[in-house]
Amino acid sequence: QITLKESGPTLLKPTQTLTLTCTFSGFSLSTNFVGVGWVRQPPGKALECLGVIFGDDDKRYDPSLKGRLTITKDTSKNQVVLTMTNMDPVDTATYYCAHRPSFDAFDVWGHGTVITVSS
Amino acid sequence: SSELTQDPAVSVALGQTVRITCQGDSLRMHYASWYQQKPGQSPVLVIYGKNQRPSGIPDRFSGSDSGNTASLTITGAQAEDEADYYCCSRDSSGHHHVFGTGTMVTVL
Repeated sequence: QITLKESGPTLLKPTQTLTLTCTFSGFSLSTNFVGVGWVRQPPGKALECLGVIFGDDDKRYDPSLKGRLTITKDTSKNQVVLTMTNMDPVDTATYYCAHRPSFDAFDVWGHGTVITVSS
Repeated sequence: SSELTQDPAVSVALGQTVRITCQGDSLRMHYASWYQQKPGQSPVLVIYGKNQRPSGIPDRFSGSDSGNTASLTITGAQAEDEADYYCCSRDSSGHHHVFGTGTMVTVL
């Protein structure tokens, strides 16, 4: 059974850096076509894919966030870490991590964590 | 703004059929996946690839593709199908995933 869980701060001030950890179980992030994605959802708005990291360490980022976003993995700890710099109130959202299997979709999602950016 | 466009809202009578569409140029080359999201809950994958359903998804959910449009059809809608539905595919470069604008489905 695959599970994922997001953890990190809930409140940030503008310009601070967000660091979120996705701790997963039930799969190994060491296979080329398997990955973990980060998706966020601002209140009342649509889902947005921030990026995906694959088992071969290939990383795909939302071009609009490139420069602010870094995704890394620690295979030994079964963790994926998202780092987003220069946070702004418009980055207030629920942040999800999700399993990306060998087919192109996100088949298992974490419960999400609410991040609020406010001074 | 999203490269995948969906109608904001549709309604369907209980037991009837509803089709939700997703339009975007990248759909000519990449399949869409579809997600159901109920208030306060995480998204759930309902369709992926060429009309594939994950285990546990009822067979009243089906997917189809034509040109730049992907569709999700619910045949015999149930009250529990009332939710937001999002398509997802690749962006124009093919390197990144993008979600559609979302469709709110109301079951009357």
